[in-house]
Amino acid sequence: EAEVAQSPRYKITEKSQAVAFWCDPISGHATLYWYRQILGQGPELLVQFQDESVVDDSQLPKDRFSAERLKGVDSTLKIQPAELGDSAMYLCASSLLALPGPYEQYFGPGTRLTVT
Amino acid sequence: GQSLEQPSEVTAVEGAIVQINCTYQTSGFYGLSWYQQHDGGAPTFLSYNALDGLEETGRFSSFLSRSDSYGYLLLQELQMKDSASYFCAVRGFLGDSSYKLIFGSGTRLLVRP
Repeated sequence: EAEVAQSPRYKITEKSQAVAFWCDPISGHATLYWYRQILGQGPELLVQFQDESVVDDSQLPKDRFSAERLKGVDSTLKIQPAELGDSAMYLCASSLLALPGPYEQYFGPGTRLTVT
Repeated sequence: GQSLEQPSEVTAVEGAIVQINCTYQTSGFYGLSWYQQHDGGAPTFLSYNALDGLEETGRFSSFLSRSDSYGYLLLQELQMKDSASYFCAVRGFLGDSSYKLIFGSGTRLLVRP
């Protein structure tokens, strides 16, 4: 069964350092999502791609976060510099389409980031 | 904007039935989804309702009332493995035929023997 791949699974970094996360969506899925999930809360969308284009990054802290999906396949999310408040689970998801309907999102295992 | 409310925690006994409620406020409604997430795991899709009524998938059912901006997830014949967090989510319109999911804060279900 096809899965969304993410790496690394765990990352510990010191504040002010740079960190990057990688995601490979399910083959053929045009829509890719990056979420941040703080313990005890629901996933919060950071950025949504349709192919290689960003369709929503309204919740992305653009002064320190950046995301790209250059060839419309895999994607990288970067934080520079990392802050203590960035400690969270970063989830990547993909879906065939971003339309209403049972176009479910498939989530990867996530990257647990700890900033010290 | 969109907002969702669901109870933070529910406890039930193995073999019982439990209902997790979700009320929402949204500008434009494009369906209500439910996701399950075990501790340390990724969210997994459970169900989707676009129209009023009950959708059944095995032991899980999901209900929607658009007039009441309300839905629920019903879990029957509870098993220990059902202990997890359950999130309701609504879609927000981004434009250009694109939508995003807005998640509630989740309901933590604890199933006791």
